[in-house]
Amino acid sequence: EAGVTQSPRYAVLQEGQAVSFWCDPISGHDTLYWYQQPRDQGPQLLVYFRDEAVIDNSQLPSDRFSAVRPKGTNSTLKIQSAKQGDTATYLCASKDWGGASTLYFGAGTRLSVL
Amino acid sequence: EQQVQQSPASLVLQEAENAELQCSFSIFTNQVQWFYQRPGGRLVSLLYNPSGTKQSGRLTSTTVIKERRSSLHISSSQITDSGTYLCAMEQSNYQLIWGSGTKLIIKP
Repeated sequence: EAGVTQSPRYAVLQEGQAVSFWCDPISGHDTLYWYQQPRDQGPQLLVYFRDEAVIDNSQLPSDRFSAVRPKGTNSTLKIQSAKQGDTATYLCASKDWGGASTLYFGAGTRLSVL
Repeated sequence: EQQVQQSPASLVLQEAENAELQCSFSIFTNQVQWFYQRPGGRLVSLLYNPSGTKQSGRLTSTTVIKERRSSLHISSSQITDSGTYLCAMEQSNYQLIWGSGTKLIIKP
């Protein structure tokens, strides 16, 4: 069974530049999460989808961040104008909707904003 | 105030010693999950424990919801157990609230 795939693995930007992260969840998983994980901290939820619908994006800085999942499969997270404070690892995870089901993570994209 | 707190923040043990990791939470939760992350590696689910005691190999998790705490016991630790262990609380909307993790180092 293929796992959650993310790309790129690494990104280095200057402040003000834009970047997109891509996620391919496990086939059949209807729920997809994007997390931000600063160094030495736990993941912090940015947004999550059930199929193509956004369920919660209240933690997503909407002025610079956007996320889509148009067909309910792959998803893209975009930062329009990166800031140094965005330096973190961005994680994508997927699962079946509902509780008592395992959450599967991708390897993450490590972003450095200089 | 952090809703999920883990202790200790870091733990150094000799190989074959037992490790005890703690998680306490101030929020209502349906489920407690424990995850493992090797440096530079992906997060992997270890145990899903709503209450009581659950075991998987050398790992034992004990959750007491009323006391808002969960523990993870690793018996006979191995060098390959080194990494960060995170607990996460599942809320009624299926979202996870995460602790900051315990960094475990097992020395030969």
